[in-house]
Amino acid sequence: ETGVTQSPTHLIKTRGQQVTLRCSSQSGHNTVSWYQQALGQGPQFIFQYYREEENGRGNFPPRFSGLQFPNYSSELNVNALELDDSALYLCASSLEPSSYNEQFFGPGTRLTVL
Amino acid sequence: AQRVTQPEKLLSVFKGAPVELKCNYSYSGSPELFWYVQYSRQRLQLLLRHISRESIKGFTADLNKGETSFHLKKPFAQEEDSAMYYCALTGGGADGLTFGKGTHLIIQP
Repeated sequence: ETGVTQSPTHLIKTRGQQVTLRCSSQSGHNTVSWYQQALGQGPQFIFQYYREEENGRGNFPPRFSGLQFPNYSSELNVNALELDDSALYLCASSLEPSSYNEQFFGPGTRLTVL
Repeated sequence: AQRVTQPEKLLSVFKGAPVELKCNYSYSGSPELFWYVQYSRQRLQLLLRHISRESIKGFTADLNKGETSFHLKKPFAQEEDSAMYYCALTGGGADGLTFGKGTHLIIQP
């Protein structure tokens, strides 16, 4: 059984640019959630994808968008990058969207915006 | 708005001493509560969840709805318990997890 993987590990961008982060869910999981973790903070929920549709969203602006593919892998896209977008971005997968299902986290992508 | 508060940023105890990591929450309804742990150089992982009523690695957590708390406890701390601990809640389904800021637990030998 393969765990959640994320790419790239690190990324440096400049303000105003666009970025795409990628996540492969754990085998058999059809639900992917994305979180942003700023330094010294807990992870903050961005959105969740289930069967290729966004089915839940946290308090993030529309320039944060995503995709989920038929193999349940997912992308997080951020447009018009701002300095405050510098953070660790975590992807988590689960069997179904139910709160009873454990979320399995990836190692994260560290994004630095200069 | 839902919120999770972990009042201690850092908690240091000696090996063999009892440990209590505090978690208070704010939610209009009946949330599901969790503790997640991140050991050094490892990814975030589930430690325990309220609904399972389980004890994992000697840790337990009791939900107190009156005080809206979900404190994590262990009677005798071990050095391998040193880690970052996050309390989290969800309203269910596509709600996502709301995390606290975390408590860094250090167990001194």
